[in-house]
Amino acid sequence: EDQVTQSPEALRLQEGESSSLNCSYTVSGLRGLFWYRQDPGKGPEFLFTLYSAGEEKEKERLKATLTKKESFLHITAPKPEDSATYLCAVSPSDGSARQLTFGSGTQLTVLP
Amino acid sequence: DAGVIQSPRHEVTEMGQEVTLRCKPISGHNSLFWYRQTMMRGLELLIYFNNNVPIDDSGMPEDRFSAKMPNASFSTLKIQPSEPRDSAVYFCASSLGTRDRGADTQYFGPGTRLTVL
Repeated sequence: EDQVTQSPEALRLQEGESSSLNCSYTVSGLRGLFWYRQDPGKGPEFLFTLYSAGEEKEKERLKATLTKKESFLHITAPKPEDSATYLCAVSPSDGSARQLTFGSGTQLTVLP
Repeated sequence: DAGVIQSPRHEVTEMGQEVTLRCKPISGHNSLFWYRQTMMRGLELLIYFNNNVPIDDSGMPEDRFSAKMPNASFSTLKIQPSEPRDSAVYFCASSLGTRDRGADTQYFGPGTRLTVL
C-alpha cells in the first residue's frame, strides 16, 4: 500500500527564515510526486510534479527536490503570504492507477 | 480558462436529508475525482471516474454515498440519508487522465463545505 508521510506537521518561521518541508513516501513504483499548496477555505493548488530522483523544480521562493525515498520543499526567505498548508502526493507507476495518495500536510505559518 | 467548478459552496442540512453535490470538470479532462477532507483524516479519495466510467469506488464510506457522471462535463455526489459524521469539505478534481507525463496532475475545485446538523 502506498504511503506518504509529511513532517513537520506544523512549522512557524519568521519572515526571511529559510527552511525545508519533508515528504517521505513508500510506493511500489513512482510515476510522479506532487506538491500542492492549500489556503484556508480553498482547494489544493498545484505547485510541482517531480518524476525522477535528482530532479528539481523552482517557483519563486519554493524549490522542490526528489530522491528515491523522499522529497523536500525548500522555502527560501519566506514571506507571510507563503503561509498555507503544503500537501505532498504520489502517483504509482501501476498502469491502471491514476489516483494520488496524499500526505497529511505541513501547516506553514510565516510571521512578519 | 475556467477551473473545476463545484456547487453549492456551502450546504447546511439536517440529519436524514438527501444532499447532492455537483461538479463540472475542466473541459477536455478525462478523469474526475471526488475527495473528502476532514481535520482527523485529511484528504481521502472517495471515487474516481475515467471517461465517465467509475473506476474505483473503494473509498466510498458506505451505501449512503453514490456518485454519477452522466457526461464528460458533469458529476454528482449524493448522500442519502445524511448523518452528522458526513460533515466535511468535499472536493472535486480533474486531470487529463492519459498516459502522458503530466496528465495525472489533478486540479481541484474550491470545495463544498457540508454541515449536517
